[in-house]
Amino acid sequence: EADIYQTPRYLVIGTGKKITLECSQTMGHDKMYWYQQDPGMELHLIHYSYGVNSTEKGDLSSESTVSRIRTEHFPLTLESARPSHTSQYLCASSESLGEAYGYTFGSGTRLTVV
Amino acid sequence: KQEVTQIPAALSVPEGENLVLNCSFTDSAIYNLQWFRQDPGKGLTSLLLIQSSQREQTSGRLNASLDKSSGRSTLYIAASQPGDSATYLCAVGDSGTYKYIFGTGTRLKVLA
Repeated sequence: EADIYQTPRYLVIGTGKKITLECSQTMGHDKMYWYQQDPGMELHLIHYSYGVNSTEKGDLSSESTVSRIRTEHFPLTLESARPSHTSQYLCASSESLGEAYGYTFGSGTRLTVV
Repeated sequence: KQEVTQIPAALSVPEGENLVLNCSFTDSAIYNLQWFRQDPGKGLTSLLLIQSSQREQTSGRLNASLDKSSGRSTLYIAASQPGDSATYLCAVGDSGTYKYIFGTGTRLKVLA
């Protein structure tokens, strides 16, 4: 049973629309992450958060924004979707940073912008 | 800058074979290494996590080893089954940045 939930699972939307991808976790993890992955390609970190009211940009530049108002919730927003935003977006969380702590991923949101 | 490479990029084997997937990283300053499985169009499922102080971890038919000094990890899958077909990703927890760096994956197909 997944402890990190992403909605929607699939989204097809027109150019220029504002969208929010939801990510919630029930594990009380402080650390949360957003990755972008094109089909057959590697994962790229686009945003991360180490706690409430803390957000940072990742290694891959993205036009999206994130917020972390509650520990369990880390939504990603695109103000004006474009076809170049078509990709899979994966959310992950981790209890802490350190040897014993790994990542737990959600099922992903596959976004298509037409 | 930490780089993670996985070889081979793709692998096709008959059912029942034992197989080894390789992961190499350029900087030995890691705090752990995690192996994941990804089915097409899905998220990542954690398989094994090896702490930097450990040499190997086992779960069922899977065994992962870690050699930090040589910058390598292997994932051993015993008696492969068609249900093992997926992409396998390794990720290293980089001690310098405290970020996970992912490899590009090995796409495995097990033929019935």
